[in-house]
Amino acid sequence: DIQMSQSPSTLSASVGDRVTITCRASQSISSWLAWYQQKPGKAPKLLIYKASSLESGVPSRFSGSGSGTKFTLTISSLQPDDFATYYCQQYNSYRYTFGQGTKLEIK
Amino acid sequence: EVQLVESGGGLVQPGGSLRLSCAASGFTFSTYSMNWVRQAPGKGLEWVSYISSSSSTIYYADSVQGRFTISRDNVKNSLFLQMNSLRDEDTAVYYCARLGGYLIDYWGQGTLVTVSS
Repeated sequence: DIQMSQSPSTLSASVGDRVTITCRASQSISSWLAWYQQKPGKAPKLLIYKASSLESGVPSRFSGSGSGTKFTLTISSLQPDDFATYYCQQYNSYRYTFGQGTKLEIK
Repeated sequence: EVQLVESGGGLVQPGGSLRLSCAASGFTFSTYSMNWVRQAPGKGLEWVSYISSSSSTIYYADSVQGRFTISRDNVKNSLFLQMNSLRDEDTAVYYCARLGGYLIDYWGQGTLVTVSS
């Protein structure tokens, strides 16, 4: 199976900060990568697909980049609603795998 | 509006069985592949199983292979997960998820399965 690893595991930041989360795949997944946001007690919400495409309705402060084995999610100016846990996920094969998650906390 | 509503979770003893259901609405269920994904308390997301739109292709995670069975009823717009020989480590919130192409684009709200004696 393709292994996904995210860094950092926890990120402390302030409203207005620019933050970047990194996701690495154990083998090339082309651009078949998605990013999800999850808040406590809620289902994940799709933010980014195909590494850099913004899901409809998602604010433009979210952006994704990368291909092959290294990917990043950037939030350009943190808003209070953005404090949550973020997961990357590869869909290069039907044996989907997720990163371990990055918890974004208020500093 | 796409809606996925899971049901059937609860408390079960180790070695027991449970059947989860997912009722789909707001889209043409019979044309979409579906997944089950789970999340243990305080942990990350783990893919469990995949079923194609016609049920012709099915995959399982190694952790549930031989114990869980995914199925669907395209007439009743429903997805199922039969879980047998349950273990403590199967305790999780189980999400039903729709695949738009290869991408998980919609999730249900989840149903909690607790395996404990």
